[in-house]
Amino acid sequence: KAGVTQTPRYLIKTRGQQVTLSCSPISGHRSVSWYQQTPGQGLQFLFEYFSETQRNKGNFPGRFSGRQFSNSRSEMNVSTLELGDSALYLCASSLDREDSHEQYFGPGTRLTVT
Amino acid sequence: GEDVEQSLFLSVREGDSSVINCTYTDSSSTYLYWYKQEPGAGLQLLTYIFSNMDMKQDQRLTVLLNKKDKHLSLRIADTQTGDSAIYFCAESIEGYSSASKIIFGSGTRLSIRP
Repeated sequence: KAGVTQTPRYLIKTRGQQVTLSCSPISGHRSVSWYQQTPGQGLQFLFEYFSETQRNKGNFPGRFSGRQFSNSRSEMNVSTLELGDSALYLCASSLDREDSHEQYFGPGTRLTVT
Repeated sequence: GEDVEQSLFLSVREGDSSVINCTYTDSSSTYLYWYKQEPGAGLQLLTYIFSNMDMKQDQRLTVLLNKKDKHLSLRIADTQTGDSAIYFCAESIEGYSSASKIIFGSGTRLSIRP
């Protein structure tokens, strides 16, 4: 079974631009979560999507948004990029059942904002 | 508030046991996790424990949970060079969903001495 895939793996953008990152969950997984990882702040939860609906949200500004499609693939968008948005963005998928509490992470997209 | 704390570094000799410690603050935590992150890679779920358990063993890994003190530990027996990585402790809150909001610690970098 293929793992969680994220595209692109690396991205360089300039301040003020916007960016869209993509995540394809493991087949059969309906929940997708996004995290931001930086050396200073560590791993921080951005949001979670389930059945095309945002179910949980972390403490990030409205410039960070996401969506989920009917095939469970998810995209994350960051508008008006700032230097501080440079980070590794990780996506994780899960079955989301009471008897399954495992999240599987993708390799991440490394975003550099110059 | 929600906080997970870990020491930043641990160095052990090859073949010895490694013990990585973690403390958390949220008493409503349902699941506690240990993840491993190797350089340039995403997070790999190593093991998890339900908050009403005291111990879980999985091959070389032993997780101990002291709910009264909100202390979690991961013991790796017979530590090998391939165990070199950053280990993250994490807690999930807000319900049973595996993709509920998850709070991560800052990670413990484990290095192995020959």
